[in-house]
Parts: sequence; C-alpha cells; structure tokens
Amino acid sequence: GEDVEQSLFLSVREGDSSVINCTYTDSSSTYLYWYKQEPGAGLQLLTYIFSNMDMKQDQRLTVLLNKKDKHLSLRIADTQTGDSAIYFCAESLSNDYKLSFGAGTTVTVRA
Amino acid sequence: DTGVSQNPRHKITKRGQNVTFRCDPISEHNRLYWYRQTLGQGPEFLTYFQNEAQLEKSRLLSDRFSAERPKGSFSTLEIQRTEQGDSAMYLCASRRTSGGPNTGELFFGEGSRLTVL
Repeated sequence: GEDVEQSLFLSVREGDSSVINCTYTDSSSTYLYWYKQEPGAGLQLLTYIFSNMDMKQDQRLTVLLNKKDKHLSLRIADTQTGDSAIYFCAESLSNDYKLSFGAGTTVTVRA
Repeated sequence: DTGVSQNPRHKITKRGQNVTFRCDPISEHNRLYWYRQTLGQGPEFLTYFQNEAQLEKSRLLSDRFSAERPKGSFSTLEIQRTEQGDSAMYLCASRRTSGGPNTGELFFGEGSRLTVL
C-alpha cells in the first residue's frame, strides 16, 4: 500500500470525536473506502465514497474527500470503546475494484 | 444474508506441505477477490474472478499459488510447498458488478490465517 498513506496511531477519549486521515496518489480512483478490523477478525466495510462526491455522512461517521489534495478523512462522532480497532483507508484504482490499502491506523479509545 | 464465508479459519502446517483455503462469496456476487494480509500491514491484492474466469493475478502470486472458481460460485486458493514467508491472513472478498444497488461495496470474509512452521 505505498500509494495510500495513513498515520499509524490515534488515541482518543471516550465521547470525543476521532478523525483519521489518509492520503492517496492515484487521481483516477473511482471509490474510496474505510474498513474497520478488530483483532483476529476480517475487514468490516464501514463506508465508502464515490470520487465525484466530497462528503458522505452515515450516522456517527462522516467522510470528507478533497480530490485536489488527494486527502480522505473519516470522522467518528461520540467515539465509544467499541470503536477501538484498526481502520484502513483504501482506494479502488479502476473498474476492476482491486483495492489498494493503507497500512492502517490503530485507534485506541481511553475512558 | 450469510456474508462471505472462509474456511478453515486457522491452518498450521509444516514447511513444504500444501494447503487449500475455500471461500464462499455472497450469493449472486459475480466478482470474487483474494487478498493477503501480513502482520501490521494492509491487505494486498492477489487475484480476482469474474464468475469462473480468473481475470488478473498479482505479481505476488508466485507459481506455487493457484486459485480456482470452477462453477463461478465458491473459490479455492491452494499454496504448494509452503514456505515460512507464506504465513499470513488470506482474505476473500466479493461484490456484485451490476443488477442491484451499491455495486461499489466490496465485502470481506473473516479470513483464513496460515502459520507455516
């Protein structure tokens, strides 16, 4: 995933908002994704955004896309202990939907 | 909706042995993908199928790896003469390309963890 970069760690207090950032390099990306992975588990699709959108909101999740800067962010409102996990940003490079993933951001929620 | 199912969930094998993983995608999903994830990294694309046709293989997929999807439903990933470097989580994903909403969604299974001793 050298084409997709994320910060490795984020610590947040329970009840606060979390913001996870991601940068990507391929301007032809069609979809951009956020996945959540809990220890020992597979990937859970949280949300995705089509490249012609700049924002998508889904309950506590808000995705912001800045195509000019190739920057994607995921905001989690009212962060809970159950939100502790690794969050992966991914881009779909073509209509083949072969995803290119970042290395993941480990989010730790402290009481 | 049963989701993407993978088995076995864990496999421990000795170097040089062959292993096979199975993936059952979500029904009606015509695209099926295999990824590999090593510790501390994001998943890396290995190969994908459109129905029974294998359309692309990554350079990561050495000659010891073979994937099939004979009837366009479940898929198998076989690794021959396993090496310690093959130890990883093997993830399967599926999606629908047309004929319904949300075709951008790619759903992953729980993965099959391989440990080569």
